[in-house]
Amino acid sequence: AQSVTQPDARVTVSEGASLQLRCKYSYSGTPYLFWYVQYQRQGLQLLLKYYSGDPVVQGVNGFEAEFSKSDSSFHLRKASVHWSDSAVYFCAASMNNNRIFFGDGTQLVVKP
Amino acid sequence: GGIITQTPKFLIGQEGQKLTLKCQQNFNHDTMYWYRQDSGKGLRLIYYSITENDLQKGDLSEGYDASREKKSSFSLTVTSAQKNEMAVFLCASSIGRGRPDTGQLYFGEGSKLTVL
Repeated sequence: AQSVTQPDARVTVSEGASLQLRCKYSYSGTPYLFWYVQYQRQGLQLLLKYYSGDPVVQGVNGFEAEFSKSDSSFHLRKASVHWSDSAVYFCAASMNNNRIFFGDGTQLVVKP
Repeated sequence: GGIITQTPKFLIGQEGQKLTLKCQQNFNHDTMYWYRQDSGKGLRLIYYSITENDLQKGDLSEGYDASREKKSSFSLTVTSAQKNEMAVFLCASSIGRGRPDTGQLYFGEGSKLTVL
């Protein structure tokens, strides 16, 4: 079955530390992959997307993600987090039709 | 740029009531979606529509109806509100499959439902 899994419901890091949020998908082909961020009481905003080509894609605010076909993953990274990065992050995948599958989200808490 | 407008932002209803949420987009996007987001949980797809007058069921369609009478608008009806139900409904749109930026969703700010 097609699905997206974010194994970490909550991640806590200190300000200035590096970050990785994990995402795995289940699909026999190569999906289009996305990371969205939801700040408190707001809608979701796109951070970055992957369609094809270079497996490392850059997004806004210093975020990047790496696609791995062998691992069926699309992990999100940031070298140095800021307190304003505290939010819920959703991984999403578009498979072979117009449906977009979302993971359950990872809440990121950045400690001062 | 475009915008997605959801109305109302807040909706309070009674158990058993039929409640309708509306969504308008001016991106001229083909595909529109309704998702439900419960507190602390991910997004679950209720309905989506790939073009005017098309409707496709998602994973959570039972208890809901949807309507896409115009390309720019997509309505969702809760057919019988459940007591103590509380959720946020998110509308989104995307350009059609096979076109640049396909699959990228643009979201509205959400409609929060509370059932007394």
